[in-house]
Amino acid sequence: QVQLVQSGAEVKRPGASVKVSCKASGYNFINSNIHWVRQAPGQGLEWMGWVNPTNGNTNSAEKFQGRVTVTRDTSISTAYMELNGLTSDDSAVYYCARHGGTYPAYWGQGTLVTVSS
Amino acid sequence: QSALTQPASVSGSPGQSITISCTGTSSDVGAYNYVSWYQQHPGKVPKLMIYDVSNRPSGVSNRFSGSKSGNTASLTISGLQAEDEADYYCCSYTNYYTYVFGAGTKVTVL
Repeated sequence: QVQLVQSGAEVKRPGASVKVSCKASGYNFINSNIHWVRQAPGQGLEWMGWVNPTNGNTNSAEKFQGRVTVTRDTSISTAYMELNGLTSDDSAVYYCARHGGTYPAYWGQGTLVTVSS
Repeated sequence: QSALTQPASVSGSPGQSITISCTGTSSDVGAYNYVSWYQQHPGKVPKLMIYDVSNRPSGVSNRFSGSKSGNTASLTISGLQAEDEADYYCCSYTNYYTYVFGAGTKVTVL
């Protein structure tokens, strides 16, 4: 069955960077883009960006451009999201999701990132 | 890219029907039939309920239906049940090769 397993919770200082991983199994990793979505405490879902595992092409929401890097390693079926210049506003649960053709389809379990001094 | 506009809350009694709207622009909702809807219970991962405006994934109750007119998409829940109490988010593909979510709607079953 399709599984997306994300890395564990992180605590970071303001100004630091965080890199979250998302390991896929149960399907051919290169066949589907991977989305990254975040959700701050008590807030809504926010689309951040995505990566095409076949060629590494990426795109991100305007809000995050210049601060987020989305990559993948096809040899281990894993996608990554790195966010730089962290502030307390970046404290959130970060999700990866497999693209379902026209939508984020199957979601990982989420990774809690806490930014605190 | 601004978040799609959803009502903050919608409520209904068991058995009733409710509709949640999702308003975007001609660059997202109005441009493509690529609107999806997600249900999220507290502390849980979002669950896909509708994709491509009106299609239900396997296993999703037929009490959930979707539609679109112009720049506004809608999710209707008929025969409201206690288990439907959750947050609901719409999502649309955009002209910029990106996606955008709605701000979310809290559904309360009275």
